[in-house]
Amino acid sequence: NAGVTQTPKFQVLKTGQSMTLQCAQDMNHNSMYWYRQDPGMGLRLIYYSASEGTTDKGEVPNGYNVSRLNKREFSLRLESAAPSQTSVYFCASSRQVSQETQYFGPGTRLLVL
Amino acid sequence: GENVEQHPSTLSVQEGDSAVIKCTYSDSASNYFPWYKQELGKRPQLIIDIRSNVGEKKDQRIAVTLNKTAKHFSLHITETQPEDSAVYFCAASIRGGGADGLTFGKGTHLIIQP
Repeated sequence: NAGVTQTPKFQVLKTGQSMTLQCAQDMNHNSMYWYRQDPGMGLRLIYYSASEGTTDKGEVPNGYNVSRLNKREFSLRLESAAPSQTSVYFCASSRQVSQETQYFGPGTRLLVL
Repeated sequence: GENVEQHPSTLSVQEGDSAVIKCTYSDSASNYFPWYKQELGKRPQLIIDIRSNVGEKKDQRIAVTLNKTAKHFSLHITETQPEDSAVYFCAASIRGGGADGLTFGKGTHLIIQP
């Protein structure tokens, strides 16, 4: 039981390049989330998926897109990376969207030059 | 949307003393308040949570209190140990309204002095 896994662990991009961050969970959870963590800013919600087939914007969605590929997988895409997107990205999952423990993946450290 | 304020940003205590971290929230409809611990370079992990129908919850050396009228909640760690050194985040969750998910505070760096 791996919990929540993320790939890659670390990535360097040039401004304007695109990439997709992958997330998968094996806990049969319905809800999945993408957060970014910046120094002194805490964790901010980018997008979430309350259940398979649905996605919604969070606090900071600009510059990102998401796909809930199936119940297990939730990907985050940067179409044209900008230095302001340099951050640590965490994926999380929970049984339901509200009042439930969220389990986090190990994170992806992204540097945009 | 929800706004969560967390204080202090850094807290240094002597080993064996108690530590208290406080959070306030803005949306009276918030109904779930978890606390996460994040060690350096690691993922956040839940340490305790409280729901709006409860005023206090305890788990060994950790306790959380909730005052819904004042819209604040606190984390209390007693008999602190070196392994308690980490960044702690409070969060608030509201169901519905198109903003499901957690809103986090900015974190408190807890330093346990030997």
